[in-house]
Amino acid sequence: GENVEQHPSTLSVQEGDSAVIKCTYSDSASNYFPWYKQELGKRPQLIIDIRSNVGEKKDQRIAVTLNKTAKHFSLHITETQPEDSAVYFCAASRSNFGNEKLTFGTGTRLTIIP
Amino acid sequence: DTGVSQDPRHKITKRGQNVTFRCDPISEHNRLYWYRQTLGQGPEFLTYFQNEAQLEKSRLLSDRFSAERPKGSFSTLEIQRTEQGDSAMYLCASSLGRGSRGANVLTFGAGSRLTVL
Repeated sequence: GENVEQHPSTLSVQEGDSAVIKCTYSDSASNYFPWYKQELGKRPQLIIDIRSNVGEKKDQRIAVTLNKTAKHFSLHITETQPEDSAVYFCAASRSNFGNEKLTFGTGTRLTIIP
Repeated sequence: DTGVSQDPRHKITKRGQNVTFRCDPISEHNRLYWYRQTLGQGPEFLTYFQNEAQLEKSRLLSDRFSAERPKGSFSTLEIQRTEQGDSAMYLCASSLGRGSRGANVLTFGAGSRLTVL
């Protein structure tokens, strides 16, 4: 089955700096890669996703890159703000549209230092 | 509230007891998923439904776990003869499942936290 590894497990950055979280996956058939943000005590919420026919996607301060050859994808947050503090999960799925099950990484706890 | 609802939010039970969780998805969503999340870990897939049909069940799920979605709307997850290792947050999620871009974003519920003593 699919295995998704995520690094680092914790990350602290100064407010205004950039944060990068990296994930690798094992199933070469995976083709849908979403990122979820989970604030303390709250439900995971999708923040951005990317499909295998795209190498990069950006949404305001958030961007995701995908390298299918190397089987890794990354989340980039620029100009970090205190409200970015949360746990971030990457995930992978075989379906282009996420119809099938998502396999999640173990999460990265991001702390923004004011 | 038009989001995914889960009940109860918290359940404390003694080892060996049965527990049942309910999930009400977003009304127009025909896919429903159950995940389990333990402290410091990502959500772990348990099972999912397309309408009333259970399409996949994790091999990690023991026979003590059963899920139903009898009318293709709400779903229940039952755990029989609970063990301490079952203590976790049980998350339900739903999606439109129509195969078009953006239609398969998973919307999660707030979860049902199970503590087995």
